[in-house]
Amino acid sequence: GAGVSQSPSNKVTEKGKDVELRCDPISGHTALYWYRQRLGQGLEFLIYFQGNSAPDKSGLPSDRFSAERTGESVSTLTIQRTQQEDSAVYLCASRPGSNSGANVLTFGAGSRLTVL
Amino acid sequence: SQQGEEDPQALSIQEGENATMNCSYKTSINNLQWYRQNSGRGLVHLILIRSNEREKHSGRLRVTLDTSKKSSSLLITASRAADTASYFCATGAFGGQNFVFGPGTRLSVLP
Repeated sequence: GAGVSQSPSNKVTEKGKDVELRCDPISGHTALYWYRQRLGQGLEFLIYFQGNSAPDKSGLPSDRFSAERTGESVSTLTIQRTQQEDSAVYLCASRPGSNSGANVLTFGAGSRLTVL
Repeated sequence: SQQGEEDPQALSIQEGENATMNCSYKTSINNLQWYRQNSGRGLVHLILIRSNEREKHSGRLRVTLDTSKKSSSLLITASRAADTASYFCATGAFGGQNFVFGPGTRLSVLP
C-alpha cells in the first residue's frame, strides 16, 4: 500500500480481555517495528522484525505481549489479559531492508487502546 | 542504552520566532533523525543527519550534530502556528537495526 496501515484506530476493552492490533506495512519494506506511547510520553520500543530473521523482542514488557509477522507482510501485536496500564497508543513503523541506504521509518497512524 | 534525550521538554514561542530543540545520546551512532508528531498519532520523518555530517538543512529546518558531545540540535526558523507539535530525535547504531527515541519536546507556536 501507499502507507503503513493500522487497525483498529481505536479500541476500548475491559480489563482481562485479549486484544489484537494489526499493522500492514508498506509493500516491499522488510523491516517492521512496534512502539508503545503512553499519554504525553515518548516512544517505547516493543519489537522489531527484519525479513525472515528472528525478531528482536527485547522491548516486550511482559509475557502478556506477543507479536507475529508472516514473511514481509502483515504483523499482529497481541496483548493478553489486558491491564489498565496497557492503555496507550501502539505505533507501527516500517522501512526498507537493512542493506538499503534508507534508514527512515514510516509510521502508521497508531491504534489507541483504552483498557477500562 | 543509546537513548536520545530531548530538551527542553516543552517550548512555547511566538509565531515568527525561531525554535531550538536539543537532543543528547549516550553511545556511538550511525545516524540521528528528527521526527514530528501531531496530536499523539503517527510520527513523520523530518530530517536525517549521518555521523560524518555536522550540519544539514531542509527548508526552514537546520540540524547540527556534534558527535564529540553526543548531541544534536534542531532549529526551526520563522516558526508558524502549524509547527505546533511534538518533536522527537531517534538514534540508529552501527550494525544495529533498532531506533531509540527520546521523550520529545512539545513545541507550541502562538499566533
